Amino acid sequence: EIVMTQSPATLSVSPGERATLSCRASQSVGSYLAWYQQKPGQAPSLLIYGASTRATGIPARFSGSGSGTEFTLTISSLQSEDFAVYYCQQYNNWPRTFGQGTKVEIK
Amino acid sequence: QVQLVQSGAEVKKPGASVTISCKASGYTFNIYAVHWVRQAPGQGLEWMGWINPGNGNRKYSQKFQGRVTITSDTSAMTVYMDLSNLGSEDTAVYYCARPRRPCGGDCYSSFDNWGQGTLVTVSS
Repeated sequence: EIVMTQSPATLSVSPGERATLSCRASQSVGSYLAWYQQKPGQAPSLLIYGASTRATGIPARFSGSGSGTEFTLTISSLQSEDFAVYYCQQYNNWPRTFGQGTKVEIK
Repeated sequence: QVQLVQSGAEVKKPGASVTISCKASGYTFNIYAVHWVRQAPGQGLEWMGWINPGNGNRKYSQKFQGRVTITSDTSAMTVYMDLSNLGSEDTAVYYCARPRRPCGGDCYSSFDNWGQGTLVTVSS
């Protein structure tokens, strides 16, 4: 199975600052890469699909890039509601696999 | 609007089975697969399998093969996930999720709608 590795595990950022999250796949997944946000006690919610396309209603401060094995999620100016855990997921191969998550916390 | 509403929390003893339901509304049920994903306490997300309610096709993660069964009732617009021979390692929140694209299951799609989650606790 494809192993998804996210870094860093925890990212401490001040409100208004930029956050850059990384996701690496153990083999190419093309552009079949999604990013999800999860807040405590809630289900994940889709942010980005196709590596770079924002899901419906997602603000423009969220952007995704990359292809193949290296992907990045950038939050251009962190808002208070953005402090959460972020997961990447590949949907190129079975089984679908997720990274272990990056927690974005307030610095 | 699209909604996936899951059944309530369960407490089970080791070796038992659990069945969780996921009732869909707000979309054409038969043209979207429904997937199951679980999350152990403080851990990441783990995909378990899917079913195509339109034709009954399904696919399971090899990790759960033989222990998981996913079924659907199209008249009730509900999908069920049954997990047998439970162990403490199965303590987790279980989510149903719908692909963003109206495909039968074996297709390339992220998940844009999720149920609220069902906590299953396995304890003697």
